[in-house]
Amino acid sequence: GAGVSQTPSNKVTEKGKYVELRCDPISGHTALYWYRQSLGQGPEFLIYFQGTGAADDSGLPNDRFFAVRPEGSVSTLKIQRTERGDSAVYLCASRSRQGGNEQFFGPGTRLTVL
Amino acid sequence: QKEVEQDPGPLSVPEGAIVSLNCTYSNSAFQYFMWYRQYSRKGPELLMYTYSSGNKEDGRFTAQVDKSSKYISLFIRDSQPSDSATYLCAMIRNQGGKLIFGQGTELSVKP
Repeated sequence: GAGVSQTPSNKVTEKGKYVELRCDPISGHTALYWYRQSLGQGPEFLIYFQGTGAADDSGLPNDRFFAVRPEGSVSTLKIQRTERGDSAVYLCASRSRQGGNEQFFGPGTRLTVL
Repeated sequence: QKEVEQDPGPLSVPEGAIVSLNCTYSNSAFQYFMWYRQYSRKGPELLMYTYSSGNKEDGRFTAQVDKSSKYISLFIRDSQPSDSATYLCAMIRNQGGKLIFGQGTELSVKP
C-alpha cells in the first residue's frame, strides 16, 4: 500500500509570501503529525491531529503557522509572511489507532525562503 | 538544555565493525523509546521501539534502555555500507503523543 505522501517535494519562495504544504496520510490512519527539520538537527514537533481536530498545537512557532485537516484525512500546513528562518524540511507522519506509537513519515517538503 | 541529547558525529567505521549510538535525556516522564534511521533526503523510518528498561534485539540491531540513568543505546553488529545514514533517537511521554527527537548521529560505514 501507499505510504505517506507530501507535496510539493520542493518549494522555493520569496520572503513575505504565503505557502501551503500538503500531506496525504496512510489510508485509515486517524492521527497525523507535522514536524520541522532544520539542517543537521532532529525533527521538531509542530502540531498533532486526531481526526479533524488539533489535539496538540504547542509546537507551532507563532501565529504565521496554521494547519488544517478538514475531513480527517489530508492535511495542509499553511505559512503566512514567510521568513528566511522558515527554511527547513517539513515532515508529515501518520499513525493508526491500533498501531501503538509507530509514526510513519513521508519524504518531506523542502522549503527554501529566499 | 535540550530534553534529548545526542552526539551528532559524524561517525565513520569500517565494514563489519560494531557501532554504538547513544542518547541521554532529562525528563523522567518519557516512557517510550525509539530509534529511527534517516537516509539522505528521505523521511525517518522506525528501526527499534522499546517501552521499558532492558534490551531488545532485532537481527543485527540491539536497543538498550536504562531509565535509572536516563540513557538509551543502539548497537549495530556487522555493520554494512547500507547502514550509512543518520540515526535519530526519539522519545514519547504518553501513548500516541508527539515524538521528541535527538539531534541525530551521522554514520558512515566504509567498505
